[in-house]
Amino acid sequence: TQLLEQSPQFLSIQEGENLTVYCNSSSVFSSLQWYRQEPGEGPVLLVTVVTGGEVKKLKRLTFQFGDARKDSSLHITAAQPGDTGLYLCAGAKAAGNKLTFGGGTRVLVKP
Amino acid sequence: KAGVTQTPRYLIKTRGQQVTLSCSPISGHRSVSWYQQTPGQGLQFLFEYFSETQRNKGNFPGRFSGRQFSNSRSEMNVSTLELGDSALYLCASQGLAGSNEQFFGPGTRLTVL
Repeated sequence: TQLLEQSPQFLSIQEGENLTVYCNSSSVFSSLQWYRQEPGEGPVLLVTVVTGGEVKKLKRLTFQFGDARKDSSLHITAAQPGDTGLYLCAGAKAAGNKLTFGGGTRVLVKP
Repeated sequence: KAGVTQTPRYLIKTRGQQVTLSCSPISGHRSVSWYQQTPGQGLQFLFEYFSETQRNKGNFPGRFSGRQFSNSRSEMNVSTLELGDSALYLCASQGLAGSNEQFFGPGTRLTVL
């Protein structure tokens, strides 16, 4: 059982559509991060959220940290083929502690 | 600034052999973490080194070991390889003290035959 559950596991959409990826846990995290990984490469950090209820925007990507700091979501508006990749959430129980990763959501945006 | 580098990028070994993977962190980063990534288990934490000392450890058998040198470069070793050790091994360096943000290398793809 994953400490961090991501859903859905796989998402295939057409260019221009919106999508949301969820990251849920029964545990509280001091911070939560989202990464994107493309084939043949390591994950690349997109954002870190640390405050319950926090919302961060990165161009067409919107990240939200739940009020209780147990869950997070990633919303992509008007998805583009370049958004294709494996999206991973990762949480830390305290600063400097090891990260626990979710199982990942594989996103495919078709032109 | 150069990113995290890992060598080799690809490796093929047979069961029972041992393997050593290398990681050079971003210049100035003192923390290095290792992860194993497989389709079935996802990304799992192996261990973290800081200033040549293991600071955190995941739930892997003793066949998996690592070390860090005074220049922050790190190596991980897997002895008595098993088929299930086939995976992408990722190294990540961490910059700010107290930060959990990881900067990953491209990984070493290990195949055990």
